[in-house]
Amino acid sequence: KNEVEQSPQNLTAQEGEFITINCSYSVGISALHWLQQHPGGGIVSLFMLSSGKKKHGRLIATINIQEKHSSLHITASHPRDSAVYICAVNHTGNQFYFGTGTSLTVIP
Amino acid sequence: SAVISQKPSRDICQRGTSLTIQCQVDSQVTMMFWYRQQPGQSLTLIATANQGSEATYESGFVIDKFPISRPNLTFSTLTVSNMSPEDSSIYLCSVTGGKSYEQYFGPGTRLTVT
Repeated sequence: KNEVEQSPQNLTAQEGEFITINCSYSVGISALHWLQQHPGGGIVSLFMLSSGKKKHGRLIATINIQEKHSSLHITASHPRDSAVYICAVNHTGNQFYFGTGTSLTVIP
Repeated sequence: SAVISQKPSRDICQRGTSLTIQCQVDSQVTMMFWYRQQPGQSLTLIATANQGSEATYESGFVIDKFPISRPNLTFSTLTVSNMSPEDSSIYLCSVTGGKSYEQYFGPGTRLTVT
């Protein structure tokens, strides 16, 4: 069993739709990261959070520590949001666990 | 934050050859990490590289196959030796920030072995 589970694995949306990607984890964490990976492979850190909610532009990330669950929301989705979104948790020290990613395609 | 660059960004290599990937950070960092992402898989930590000491390898990865250098606090290299098609992956360099749970990633090197 993976320490980090994401759903859905693949997601196709029409431009403008509201998108939610979910992440559940099974270990104690000091922080949870949402990462964005574009087709070239490079990874960009979108959010790092340990409680509550963060917002950056059209992106919102929430975390429920008690339920060991986080969600990434994208409002008014756009084709440039098409990427793989990866949930990662920092377990202890420098140990990270990564989800397998959610591949998002936004169709114009 | 830290800005990381990697070279090359992608390469196609012949079976049996070796490729050295470079990772440059715009600030001094104690720990640098090398990850592998095989097609359709999540990231897997290969090794942790501290300046001035031998790299620490994760289970399943050995120094003979993935030698790492860390000559200073802003630079590291990962060599993929005696490559086979199974080594075709994205290789990512990352560093931690001021706190251990802050992590920054490089743009990745996409390696294809034929």
